[in-house]
Amino acid sequence: GENVEQHPSTLSVQEGDSAVIKCTYSDSASNYFPWYKQELGKRPQLIIDIRSNVGEKKDQRIAVTLNKTAKHFSLHITETQPEDSAVYFCAASINTGRRALTFGSGTRLQVQP
Amino acid sequence: GAGVSQSPSNKVTEKGKDVELRCDPISGHTALYWYRQSLGQGLEFLIYFQGNSAPDKSGLPSDRFSAERTGGSVSTLTIQRTQQEDSAVYLCASSLEGTGSGYTFGSGTRLTVV
Repeated sequence: GENVEQHPSTLSVQEGDSAVIKCTYSDSASNYFPWYKQELGKRPQLIIDIRSNVGEKKDQRIAVTLNKTAKHFSLHITETQPEDSAVYFCAASINTGRRALTFGSGTRLQVQP
Repeated sequence: GAGVSQSPSNKVTEKGKDVELRCDPISGHTALYWYRQSLGQGLEFLIYFQGNSAPDKSGLPSDRFSAERTGGSVSTLTIQRTQQEDSAVYLCASSLEGTGSGYTFGSGTRLTVV
């Protein structure tokens, strides 16, 4: 089955700096890669996703890049703010058939004001 | 409904007791997923329902765990003879397509086995 590895497990940045979280996946058939943000005590929420037919997607301060050859994808947050502090999870799945998302182990991002 | 509803929000049970956790997905969502999140850990896949197809039970950790989905809507996750290692937050999610995309999570049930 699919295996998703995520790093770093913790990341501390100064407000205004950029943050990058990286994930690798094992199943070359995977073609859907979402990112979820989970604030303390709350449910995970989808913040951005990318499909394998594109290499990059942006939404304001957030961007995701995908390298299918290397089987890795990354989340980039620019101009970080204290409210970006949360745990971020990457995930992967095959967007056909009957497969659920496989999640990475999470990255705890702390933005220092 | 407007979102995915889970109940109870918190459950404390004695070791060896059975528990039932409920998930009410977004109306019209054909796919329903159960995940488990231990303290400070990632999301562990448990089971996946898609329409009338047989569920994918490949993530259930033992035969003490079972789940059903009645009428293609509400789902119940049952844990028999609970153990302390079952303590975790149990998250339910639903999606429209059943292909992994567009998950909406519920707020979870925090299960504590004492």
